[in-house]
Amino acid sequence: ETGVTQTPRHLVMGMTNKKSLKCEQHLGHNAMYWYKQSAKKPLELMFVYNFKEQTENNSVPSRFSPECPNSSHLFLHLHTLQPEDSALYLCASKDVAGETDTQYFGPGTRLTVL
Amino acid sequence: AQKVTQAQTEISVVEKEDVTLDCVYETRDTTYYLFWYKQPPSGELVFLIRRNSFDEQNEISGRYSWNFQKSTSSFNFTITASQVVDSAVYFCALSEDTGFQKLVFGTGTRLLVSP
Repeated sequence: ETGVTQTPRHLVMGMTNKKSLKCEQHLGHNAMYWYKQSAKKPLELMFVYNFKEQTENNSVPSRFSPECPNSSHLFLHLHTLQPEDSALYLCASKDVAGETDTQYFGPGTRLTVL
Repeated sequence: AQKVTQAQTEISVVEKEDVTLDCVYETRDTTYYLFWYKQPPSGELVFLIRRNSFDEQNEISGRYSWNFQKSTSSFNFTITASQVVDSAVYFCALSEDTGFQKLVFGTGTRLLVSP
């Protein structure tokens, strides 16, 4: 695998379900990000992790719970979601100390909450 | 506060036409970074270019070119001789810092290139 991968690519869940989104980066980066992309809205930054430590929580509801066990993996745990949480969830990674100073994105997980 | 505006929601062109995607930004910082990303139907955001605020040189990469003008706070993107494979949503983004880099995105411009 190369780049940034995300699983699953598609997820349909009910409001009472608990599910998790997974992101893995194979670039040797040390910062990872979760973004939410809703229809007709700009991408919204949700969480930032730097060297496994959360450095940003952009006022995200507690029904979204991130986890970063190491610099290569990032999870987003979902529980009791609402239909308005349906969106494309994108993961990104970046080398904080690198010269390219660019975030690289995964393909996203398309989430539908019924 | 940072803000990125992409006023063009959707643009339709015929193959081989040139097309320019507009991006206007707002920031109070003197040091900032501008980006363009492409999002094809597969969903993945593909990095195209990064420009820092101290470098106003225009850049050309194949059929792609970028015009950065600080005087008008614009960072426009031109595709020359468009192709069907260029069909995608294009996002302009702004970052006011390096390090953890919080990107602020515009709402995107959907480009449809027909044969």
